[in-house]
Amino acid sequence: DTAVSQTPKYLVTQMGNDKSIKCEQNLGHDTMYWYKQDSKKFLKIMFSYNNKELIINETVPNRFSPKSPDKAHLNLHINSLELGDSAVYFCASSPGRSSYEQYFGPGTRLTVT
Amino acid sequence: GQQVMQIPQYQHVQEGEDFTTYCNSSTTLSNIQWYKQRPGGHPVFLIQLVKSGEVKKQKRLTFQFGEAKKNSSLHITATQTTDVGTYFCAGPGGAGSYQLTFGKGTKLSVIP
Repeated sequence: DTAVSQTPKYLVTQMGNDKSIKCEQNLGHDTMYWYKQDSKKFLKIMFSYNNKELIINETVPNRFSPKSPDKAHLNLHINSLELGDSAVYFCASSPGRSSYEQYFGPGTRLTVT
Repeated sequence: GQQVMQIPQYQHVQEGEDFTTYCNSSTTLSNIQWYKQRPGGHPVFLIQLVKSGEVKKQKRLTFQFGEAKKNSSLHITATQTTDVGTYFCAGPGGAGSYQLTFGKGTKLSVIP
């Protein structure tokens, strides 16, 4: 019954590779997000997306791209991975429609070597 | 852009002592939320405060929203080892309609 799920849980890859992280929510929420949490535990919003608009935070390199095949999924694709991309990536969702509370997935720990 | 500052960054308490973390925003917030992240876990939504001066309680946790809606606090009475984790406040105000800006969190350690 996991509300927000992510795969894989761990991802170890080499610099220069391209990888994807998948996210699915079964809450019927309208809005989904991707966050990056660095080693100091700072949570930074990368994207928010509902079926009408994609908001990309300006600090996110264009090597990162969200892809949403449908309302319940928001996958994260990363091109040309760099060492600095190593972090935990969290997917989250919220009902939208004036409700801001967010529900997070378990996270994907990405290690770039 | 909007900033949400949170202090302290770390807090070590003896089990049974009280704990408070404070959150300040550079702008007036329509609401503020609190999340808890256990070690190795993911952030979990605790509560949302909306009204000026609002106070809400969840068992040993007391949440307050300032009169000016620019600050908030989370107070834990008589901490237990299960309270260990990082507590984040978050306010609306990212680029998107429902984006949140998170504080840097307060990491709570409880010494048994």
